[in-house]
Amino acid sequence: DTEVTQTPKHLVMGMTNKKSLKCEQHMGHRAMYWYKQKAKKPPELMFVYSYEKLSINESVPSRFSPECPNSSLLNLHLHALQPEDSALYLCASSLVGRRNTEAFFGQGTRLTVV
Amino acid sequence: GQQLNQSPQSMFIQEGEDVSMNCTSSSIFNTWLWYKQDPGEGPVLLIALYKAGELTSNGRLTAQFGITRKDSFLNISASIPSDVGIYFCAGKKGGFGGGTSYGKLTFGQGTILTVHP
Repeated sequence: DTEVTQTPKHLVMGMTNKKSLKCEQHMGHRAMYWYKQKAKKPPELMFVYSYEKLSINESVPSRFSPECPNSSLLNLHLHALQPEDSALYLCASSLVGRRNTEAFFGQGTRLTVV
Repeated sequence: GQQLNQSPQSMFIQEGEDVSMNCTSSSIFNTWLWYKQDPGEGPVLLIALYKAGELTSNGRLTAQFGITRKDSFLNISASIPSDVGIYFCAGKKGGFGGGTSYGKLTFGQGTILTVHP
């Protein structure tokens, strides 16, 4: 099983709303990632969690708040977003290590901020 | 941030033709990954390469990890309509001693492949 499951698949939210994106994997991976992707562009790394601890924050605005409640789950809490935050948000997971740690992606959440 | 130079940016080919795309970097990577992404979906891993000079196949796909560890190519033989999509290369560093770079994939800009029946 190489599946990373993201919910919801689509989300429309207003600029004053609070919402959360969810990600789940059962591959025993202890590294989990959030990426943001604009149309026809490569994914851009936002956050990396390793062993449920935040290890990389790519200078992401505080209106994005990640959370890793356990080794299988990763959340991204959204608050006071801007229209330019509309994008495909991808979750990924991998083993932790120096080598042989390919990342598997979920199908993404298409976020539209209105 | 660091980028991988992926080429070509787009390709328009006839069904049955072979396809070749590549990625180059000014710095060394320890892992090269090739992904395919369909519209509205997440990237799907096609091939992973871990060793300089490694040549790996997955069905009609073949990818190689360059000897210098600064480049990789992907070939698709006998293309079919379902090969349509965006192909991304991604490089990962990660030396000994850990550090924070292990989790970071550096992506190429993507190759948009269109296959005409």
